[in-house]
Amino acid sequence: TQLLEQSPQFLSIQEGENLTVYCNSSSVFSSLQWYRQEPGEGPVLLVTVVTGGEVKKLKRLTFQFGDARKDSSLHITAAQPGDTGLYLCAGVVPGGYNKLIFGAGTRLAVHP
Amino acid sequence: NAGVTQTPKFQVLKTGQSMTLQCAQDMNHEYMSWYRQDPGMGLRLIHYSVGAGITDQGEVPNGYNVSRSTTEDFPLRLLSAAPSQTSVYFCASKRGGLKQETQYFGPGTRLLVL
Repeated sequence: TQLLEQSPQFLSIQEGENLTVYCNSSSVFSSLQWYRQEPGEGPVLLVTVVTGGEVKKLKRLTFQFGDARKDSSLHITAAQPGDTGLYLCAGVVPGGYNKLIFGAGTRLAVHP
Repeated sequence: NAGVTQTPKFQVLKTGQSMTLQCAQDMNHEYMSWYRQDPGMGLRLIHYSVGAGITDQGEVPNGYNVSRSTTEDFPLRLLSAAPSQTSVYFCASKRGGLKQETQYFGPGTRLLVL
């Protein structure tokens, strides 16, 4: 059974601080996705990283895929209250359907 | 486009009752799937379909049935609800095949089984 451990589970920070969320596994994934979920809504895809060592930037968010394609990180620079939400990582399992294995999520609260 | 729609938004059931959670997408996506989201456990795949007439089990299929008679619709059936099925259920769809295809989620159905 493939598992994706996400940490930390909760983060409460002040506006302007930096933070990093980690996803780790002992399994190799075809790619890794990061989602953001607002209360009462479904997850929305932020980014997909495919190649080992790949780094993608989305404004103040930086996503990195580990060299061995087993882990990933999300770094937010100068967090803003609008960044508040649940962040989920999901590993794409190699195979015909490309199933997703989700981490448990990181609930981020950014206070003004 | 409406994207992925789910009905109902909320449902309360008694143990042993049956119900069907509806999911529809208007993007002509081949792949559709059902997940449940529980606190501290992320989303877990229940069943999925790679096209009309084709379904398969995910991580936690017990207690749930699915069918896919059309490309657009992918209903999830609970034949005899149990309190352990209290959860938030999400339907998702994506174009088939490529690993980088974006998966679109519906707004969810919140189910409480008493």
